[in-house]
Amino acid sequence: GENVEQHPSTLSVQEGDSAVIKCTYSDSASNYFPWYKQELGKRPQLIIDIRSNVGEKKDQRIAVTLNKTAKHFSLHITETQPEDSAVYFCAVNYGGSQGNLIFGKGTKLSVKP
Amino acid sequence: DGGITQSPKYLFRKEGQNVTLSCEQNLNHDAMYWYRQDPGQGLRLIYYSQIVNDFQKGDIAEGYSVSREKKESFPLTVTSAQKNPTAFYLCASKDHGGSYEQYFGPGTRLTVT
Repeated sequence: GENVEQHPSTLSVQEGDSAVIKCTYSDSASNYFPWYKQELGKRPQLIIDIRSNVGEKKDQRIAVTLNKTAKHFSLHITETQPEDSAVYFCAVNYGGSQGNLIFGKGTKLSVKP
Repeated sequence: DGGITQSPKYLFRKEGQNVTLSCEQNLNHDAMYWYRQDPGQGLRLIYYSQIVNDFQKGDIAEGYSVSREKKESFPLTVTSAQKNPTAFYLCASKDHGGSYEQYFGPGTRLTVT
């Protein structure tokens, strides 16, 4: 079945540095790739997503890149701040455009002041 | 935070008891989902419903049951058959026709002793 691998599981950076989280997937029919941020005890919140008709999308300090050929996509956070500390999940839809999401296991990002 | 609510926020039960978790949305979304979250496991799909009076099993449906009698409501029952029910449960909804984005509720933390 569909599988999503997310790396690394933990990431520690100094404030102001960049952070990169990568996910790989297996279903070539997948066409929606969201990233969620979850603070401790809170709900996951969508921070950025990308469809398969584009290779990169940027929103201020956050960007997502997609390589459909290699079946991987990455989250890039620049100029990290302590409030970026959270768990980040990637997800992929499977089974077509209205398919369900399968999530990676998450990356715990710690930004040290 | 409005749109999708879950209650209660914390729930404690004794082993062997069934318990029902509430999920309500006023977003007029057709699709609703239940996920289970355990430390280091990401989000795993329990059940989903694309339309009223219809629902399907997700990846880990054993020991759970749902109903979808109204568009805005999708309660989850954790039965005594679920071997490890202690977890954080998240409900989500999505507009079936257009957007791919899933919106999450605040979650219910269930502890069974």
